[in-house]
Amino acid sequence: QKEVEQNSGPLSVPEGAIASLNCTYSDRGSQSFFWYRQYSGKSPELIMFIYSNGDKEDGRFTAQLNKASQYVSLLIRDSQPSDSATYLCAVRGAAGNKLTFGGGTRVLVKP
Amino acid sequence: GAVVSQHPSRVICKSGTSVKIECRSLDFQATTMFWYRQFPKQSLMLMATSNEGSKATYEQGVEKDKFLINHASLTLSTLTVTSAHPEDSSFYICSAGTGGYTFGSGTRLTVV
Repeated sequence: QKEVEQNSGPLSVPEGAIASLNCTYSDRGSQSFFWYRQYSGKSPELIMFIYSNGDKEDGRFTAQLNKASQYVSLLIRDSQPSDSATYLCAVRGAAGNKLTFGGGTRVLVKP
Repeated sequence: GAVVSQHPSRVICKSGTSVKIECRSLDFQATTMFWYRQFPKQSLMLMATSNEGSKATYEQGVEKDKFLINHASLTLSTLTVTSAHPEDSSFYICSAGTGGYTFGSGTRLTVV
């Protein structure tokens, strides 16, 4: 079992719709959770991070964390073609401060 | 906040030569920086954790004598790829932060 798992996609979403991305992790002691967006040929950009169970909203993005289920998700509201990218989930474990990344979910927003 | 600058953005070198990549934290002090490598259509692979004033911590399978890391100040870490070969061609990215980690713009290394 991989430490951080994501569906590779592609997740195809009509423009204006909500894109829902999921991520599961194996280390129950994980402390913090990150979502990054990566365009082809570019380095990842931090979207947001979350520490506590529940929802955290930032603009069109909402991260949802459920530690009991070892599950973190990202919702993108009012999806735009410019949101087409690979979305990476990353987890910081209980020990140390390095991040473990999932394989990423490719999102395609169609006009 | 948490701006990370990385140079060069692109480098082409001959096989057998060494290449140095710099990673700077511009608006914060970074006691720890991370170095990643990414091959096409693959996710990020952590190579090593750079620690200011001490030795870097390398991930399993990463040759520390080939990928030299120096973190001599709180704002600068360098990765030197020694005796580069074509199989070292990749996208190298550094990361640091004070909560949420941000990435440098990456260095695309091509060894010919």
